Amino acid sequence: SQQGEEDPQALSIQEGENATMNCSYKTSINNLQWYRQNSGRGLVHLILIRSNEREKHSGRLRVTLDTSKKSSSLLITASRAADTASYFCATAPFDDYKLSFGAGTTVTVRA
Amino acid sequence: DTAVSQTPKYLVTQMGNDKSIKCEQNLGHDTMYWYKQDSKKFLKIMFSYNNKELIINETVPNRFSPKSPDKAHLNLHINSLELGDSAVYFCASSYPGAGETQYFGPGTRLLVL
Repeated sequence: SQQGEEDPQALSIQEGENATMNCSYKTSINNLQWYRQNSGRGLVHLILIRSNEREKHSGRLRVTLDTSKKSSSLLITASRAADTASYFCATAPFDDYKLSFGAGTTVTVRA
Repeated sequence: DTAVSQTPKYLVTQMGNDKSIKCEQNLGHDTMYWYKQDSKKFLKIMFSYNNKELIINETVPNRFSPKSPDKAHLNLHINSLELGDSAVYFCASSYPGAGETQYFGPGTRLLVL
C-alpha cells in the first residue's frame, strides 16, 4: 500500500522562486528518500535522510524530517527551468528492502 | 556508460500476446527490482531479487514472471497481456539491505491494444 503522500499534487512557480513540497507517511521508517523524475525518464535519487536526522542539504535542496509528525519537506531554492519534474518521496522501513513511493508532486518552473 | 538499462524502450502489442522486458545493471549491485508506474504516476513495487533470489513478490497476477539469470540481469516476462497491463515498467538496482538508495532504468512504455 502507498506509504508516502505528497502535497501539493502540483506546483507552478516562476524561475528564481523557491518550491516547497511535503510528504506525510504512516509508519515508522529507517529513512526517507526524495527522487526526481523528468518527463519520460526514470527516477533519479536526490537525497536520503535517516530517521535520526532532522535536516539535510544538497546544493539547492534542503530536506527536513519530523518523525513525531511523520512528515518531511523538500525545498528547492532559486528554481530553474531544469527543475521542472515530478518529485517523489519514498519511505524505507527498518526490516524490508521495499521502498514505498507517494504519487509525487509535479513542479513546473516558468521562465 | 548507462548504469541501469532496459530494453525495449517502447512496446506496443495486442491483447493476449506474451512479451518480455530485459534489464541490466553495471553498478555491481546485488539487488534488483521491477516497478509498475500507472497513468497517475503512482509507482508500485512488483518484484525484487537479491543475488538471484526472489525477496519481494507483491500481489501481482501470475501472468507476470521475473527471472534473474545472474545478479546483473533481471527480466520480466508477461503472458496473455491485458489492457490493464499498459503502464511504464521500471527496473532498479541497489546494494543489498533495507532502505538503500535505488538506481532506476529509463523505463519501458508498454501499450496493450
